[in-house]
Order: sequence, then C-alpha cells, then structure tokens
Amino acid sequence: DAGITQSPRYKITETGRQVTLMCHQTWSHSYMFWYRQDLGHGLRLIYYSAAADITDKGEVPDGYVVSRSKTENFPLTLESATRSQTSVYFCASSDGQVYGYTFGSGTRLTVV
Amino acid sequence: AQKVTQAQTEISVVEKEDVTLDCVYETRDTTYYLFWYKQPPSGELVFLIRRNSFDEQNEISGRYSWNFQKSTSSFNFTITASQVVDSAVYFCALSEANRDDKIIFGKGTRLHILP
Repeated sequence: DAGITQSPRYKITETGRQVTLMCHQTWSHSYMFWYRQDLGHGLRLIYYSAAADITDKGEVPDGYVVSRSKTENFPLTLESATRSQTSVYFCASSDGQVYGYTFGSGTRLTVV
Repeated sequence: AQKVTQAQTEISVVEKEDVTLDCVYETRDTTYYLFWYKQPPSGELVFLIRRNSFDEQNEISGRYSWNFQKSTSSFNFTITASQVVDSAVYFCALSEANRDDKIIFGKGTRLHILP
C-alpha cells in the first residue's frame, strides 16, 4: 500500500531498554521527520532527514538516534529509554516543496 | 526565531455555533508557509490547509474558512455551523522557506462541539 506506515502502533518498554520505532514511506519523498506529541507541548521535532544518509537534530533530540540508509526508511531509536520519553511519536514525510506533511498513524510508547 | 502561539487551549461550543480558533505566528522571514492540521479523537493528523506568505486571500472550504492577516501575524480558522464531528485538536503550524521543510507547530487547541 502506498503511504507512510509506522510500527509498532503501541509499545510498552522498561526503563533503560533500547527500543526502535520504524517508519516507512512509499513515495520516495526526500524529507522525513520524527515528532513527539505530549500534552501541553503540541508536536515537537526530534530529528529530520533531508535525504538518505543526511540527518539533523530538531528541537528535542537528546536520548534519540536516527539513521537513514535508505530513502524510504527512517527508524528512531531510544538508546536507553526513560519515563520522560513516554509519548506519542509521529513520523512524517514531504517532497521538499513545503506543501505540508503526510503523517504516519503514530506510535504510542510507554516507558515503565 | 519562528514561533506559533495558539492561546486557546480548549474551547467548547454548542453544535451549530460558529467558532474561531486563533493562531499568531512569529518569523523574520519574508517567505514562509502556514498550515492547519486536525487531529480527531482517533489520533491521526489530517492536513487542512497551506497558505504562503504572499497570498493573503482568505480561503473558504465548505464550513471552514481561514483568515490570514500579515499585519497582525495571524492565521485564524473559523468553523461555521459547527458539528460534533468537528471535535478535535487543531494545530496551527509554520514553515520558513529554505529550512529543510521543517514545520513548527503550535501547542494546539482542543475543540469540543457539544450536541
């Protein structure tokens, strides 16, 4: 199916564990983004990528790692999960023409 | 620095009333883009509109309308004859040109339409 998909939809993990959230898009969009959504904060940019092998920090990058070896994939890794990283994570992609993003369905992550 | 302020955290109106969601933005760029997104209770983020800084024409789409005023740095969103299905969180957002397509979001306004 064409579009942008995130997996898993829900994840519970323990403090200190490494967890990876997956994002896959089928449009060959050059740009991909990771946001987290928290009550009272709206959506905040974690990391973004302008192309394969090019990534850059957003507003709240600490504790996260990203990679982009292929255009279509942009995984987000929490190296050592903390309770403050409990959030809903959204992946998005765009073609760089500032037409707005298409978002994935989100991953609800709970760190216990 | 770019910033988007949605001062209304939560609004409740009775069905069929009109409601306006406020959005004020800050940017030093002369070329920028403004957006509105809707997040219904199901959680997905739905794109509603994009407006560039050179186009100050108001836009109407069915019951939805947007008022862009550069003089006051505002991009307000009005729902006419609101319906229960309009209940959602609405985000205003800003993207400056030549900034890798990054979009900065406001904190959102939660809209409750009461039957």
